[in-house]
Amino acid sequence: GAGVSQSPSNKVTEKGKDVELRCDPISGHTALYWYRQSLGQGLEFLIYFQGNSSPDKSGLPSDRFSAERTGGSVSTLTIQRTQQEDSAVYLCASSLALTGNYGYTFGSGTRLTVV
Amino acid sequence: GQNIDQPTEMTATEGAIVQINCTYQTSGFNGLFWYQQHAGEAPTFLSYNVLDGLEEKGRFSSFLSRSKGYSYLLLKELQMKDSASYLCATMDSNYQLIWGAGTKLIIKP
Repeated sequence: GAGVSQSPSNKVTEKGKDVELRCDPISGHTALYWYRQSLGQGLEFLIYFQGNSSPDKSGLPSDRFSAERTGGSVSTLTIQRTQQEDSAVYLCASSLALTGNYGYTFGSGTRLTVV
Repeated sequence: GQNIDQPTEMTATEGAIVQINCTYQTSGFNGLFWYQQHAGEAPTFLSYNVLDGLEEKGRFSSFLSRSKGYSYLLLKELQMKDSASYLCATMDSNYQLIWGAGTKLIIKP
């Protein structure tokens, strides 16, 4: 597609339920990041994928969080047993390369609300 | 440790010039990015610097000094639509993006 697509755009879930967030990066982009952003705060790194390399999971806040990237394209972020502190906007970004003057293109995000 | 510092908020007047500073300490360095984020929207890429000096793109310019761990974003001929948060991010030796908390820029008529 023309841009990074994330779904759903909004998700309200009950505490304790599992949620799955999806990211479709720009075709051909090898680098993919997941971040979360709480209201008025900066971006918090969660995980990144680069090609076929093992993902860098160092930002995942707990073992309730996991992510996968199938076929080097679509990525899914799963949060199990959601807690109220998980409420945030979850942003996905992709890039043609790890560095260089390409920048990262962000999706519009998924706003997660845990009630 | 790794750290990015930028002012929390700045105010400027329409038509004027504003400079947003960013200082950083990272493990290794693979470039510095500036992003613009309007309220409720995703960040959009503005600039990338990996060598010392000034990069100009229309009304926006970005400067880098690697020896000082310092960058700034210069916005000229400010327009009301420039009201947004401006995020500074560096890429460390592991190609990890380290983000500042952002500078909220308020433009007044």
